[in-house]
Amino acid sequence: GQNIDQPTEMTATEGAIVQINCTYQTSGFNGLFWYQQHAGEAPTFLSYNVLDGLEEKGRFSSFLSRSKGYSYLLLKELQMKDSASYLCAVRNSNYQLIWGAGTKLIIKP
Amino acid sequence: ETGVTQTPRHLVMGMTNKKSLKCEQHLGHNAMYWYKQSAKKPLELMFVYNFKEQTENNSVPSRFSPECPNSSHLFLHLHTLQPEDSALYLCASSQDPGQGADEQYFGPGTRLTVT
Repeated sequence: GQNIDQPTEMTATEGAIVQINCTYQTSGFNGLFWYQQHAGEAPTFLSYNVLDGLEEKGRFSSFLSRSKGYSYLLLKELQMKDSASYLCAVRNSNYQLIWGAGTKLIIKP
Repeated sequence: ETGVTQTPRHLVMGMTNKKSLKCEQHLGHNAMYWYKQSAKKPLELMFVYNFKEQTENNSVPSRFSPECPNSSHLFLHLHTLQPEDSALYLCASSQDPGQGADEQYFGPGTRLTVT
């Protein structure tokens, strides 16, 4: 079967750095996505990785290792508004998105 | 403003009712999606339409019936639902499911409660 694993919940302190991991097993690979979803709101796109390595976008970076079936989302200089769920999704060989259950990130002052 | 709107935002219906969810995208995208989101579970893809043609139907029960009259509008017709169908139903759109990043833009969702 196809599976995306990510931690259910993480807690971090305002101003710190946090890394959210995602491991996947899918039928083929055509890219990995990270989305942010605030409580009661729609998911919004954060990043896309299709090649190995680190993609940096402001305070957020996303890393991919295809050989390990692994990605992480790195959030720097955490702000209270970063409290949200972070969803990892992989596009498989059928161009279908397989989603993880999301990681709820709690930021404390 | 995400460019994808959904109505209604909240819906309570009995198991014998018939209702419809509506989604509209103002982004000029070619693909539209229906997802079901239940608490602490992954997003479940229900239906995909690409250029108005249904390309995915992930074993969704027949009590859910999609309709895509044009590339900007998507409906989900509901009838004889079960309490376990209570969830957040999200609509999304994207430019081209087979190309590059092709990020999906989501609507705010319809919170459905089946009593």
